[in-house]
Amino acid sequence: GAGVSQTPSNKVTEKGKYVELRCDPISGHTALYWYRQSLGQGPEFLIYFQGTGAADDSGLPNDRFFAVRPEGSVSTLKIQRTERGDSAVYLCASSLSSLDSQYFGPGTRLLVL
Amino acid sequence: GENVEQHPSTLSVQEGDSAVIKCTYSDSASNYFPWYKQELGKRPQLIIDIRSNVGEKKDQRIAVTLNKTAKHFSLHITETQPEDSAVYFCAASISGGSQGNLIFGKGTKLSVKP
Repeated sequence: GAGVSQTPSNKVTEKGKYVELRCDPISGHTALYWYRQSLGQGPEFLIYFQGTGAADDSGLPNDRFFAVRPEGSVSTLKIQRTERGDSAVYLCASSLSSLDSQYFGPGTRLLVL
Repeated sequence: GENVEQHPSTLSVQEGDSAVIKCTYSDSASNYFPWYKQELGKRPQLIIDIRSNVGEKKDQRIAVTLNKTAKHFSLHITETQPEDSAVYFCAASISGGSQGNLIFGKGTKLSVKP
């Protein structure tokens, strides 16, 4: 079956701009996670959705970052007033429930110039 | 909060040899420990996982062991092949709670020389 997909695969933007990153989880997966991976590091947790609600957003670095999952499927990560330090690969993962294994998407490589 | 330490950061072995990667975690409430393989520019791929009610799990050439008392777990790869070359990440989480997010180690770059 189809795995987790993310769009765009690459995004180049200028400092101060707004970006949206999209995640399509595996069909039927109720749990969805966003992570950020910098070069040479492991993924770092940003936010976790159970259904439509954000169950844990403790990993969001500041209020420029926001994410939604209005219908309990697709999720969008939104970054306002981007900074060069936001450059990283943004990974999305989904699982059948919070008890199950997480499967990752290919990521969106964000570059802020 | 949870902290996961992973060693070594790099590991080079000859084809056919075994490779062992070790991780320690700090939160005794953690109960789920997956391992991911990530090739350059690709997504992390789940290769094996273990839960805290199990001490060891094996899948063909890959095995994972867990010592809850010492709070460490290890990945064992036997009969390594060049295609095993990648970065391997361990992770820990409290599965099923309001969290469930994975806390990752910094990764081990495994090189298998033919």
